[in-house]
Amino acid sequence: DAGVIQSPRHEVTEMGQEVTLRCKPISGHNSLFWYRQTMMRGLELLIYFNNNVPIDDSGMPEDRFSAKMPNASFSTLKIQPSEPRDSAVYFCASSLMTDRLTYEQYFGPGTRLTVT
Amino acid sequence: GQSLEQPSEVTAVEGAIVQINCTYQTSGFYGLSWYQQHDGGAPTFLSYNGLDGLEETGRFSSFLSRSDSYGYLLLQELQMKDSASYFCAVRDRKGMNTGFQKLVFGTGTRLLVSP
Repeated sequence: DAGVIQSPRHEVTEMGQEVTLRCKPISGHNSLFWYRQTMMRGLELLIYFNNNVPIDDSGMPEDRFSAKMPNASFSTLKIQPSEPRDSAVYFCASSLMTDRLTYEQYFGPGTRLTVT
Repeated sequence: GQSLEQPSEVTAVEGAIVQINCTYQTSGFYGLSWYQQHDGGAPTFLSYNGLDGLEETGRFSSFLSRSDSYGYLLLQELQMKDSASYFCAVRDRKGMNTGFQKLVFGTGTRLLVSP
């Protein structure tokens, strides 16, 4: 299996621009998670989906952030407009959740976002 | 809410044994996991404890005491490649209605292994 795939791996953009991060989960996994990691705040869960349905978006910082999962093999995290404080590494992870139990999560390589 | 506490940094020498502690406070608890992350890399799963006691996987072991809200990761026969950050994470339930669980991560412990 190819593992979780994320693109782009690095993104540098200017404040105010729209940023779209992409994720392809492991085939057969039914849950997908978006995390943000910074030195100050550590690893934060932004949102997660089960069977393409958003279950918990309480970690989404504000309305500038949105996430979609149109099908089982693709998800996007969009920031519009971007701000310098959004600079971080964004990880996508997937897992096989059965009976509402989340088993180990498999992380993608991350997207390093820099907003200038 | 949830909170997890880990030491920020631990240093050790090759061949030694090191223990990384994790204490937690959560509204719901369904198990403790450990993840390893090398600099510039992604977190990778190491172990999971759903019940009290010790789980062993090769050189790594993990322990849980639910009554003490405490767990630890034990690394034996340390190698240079073990230098990384180690995160404990609790499985927490979103809410009583949905029943879906999620992981809440600690702030991580940076382990530095020297020759």
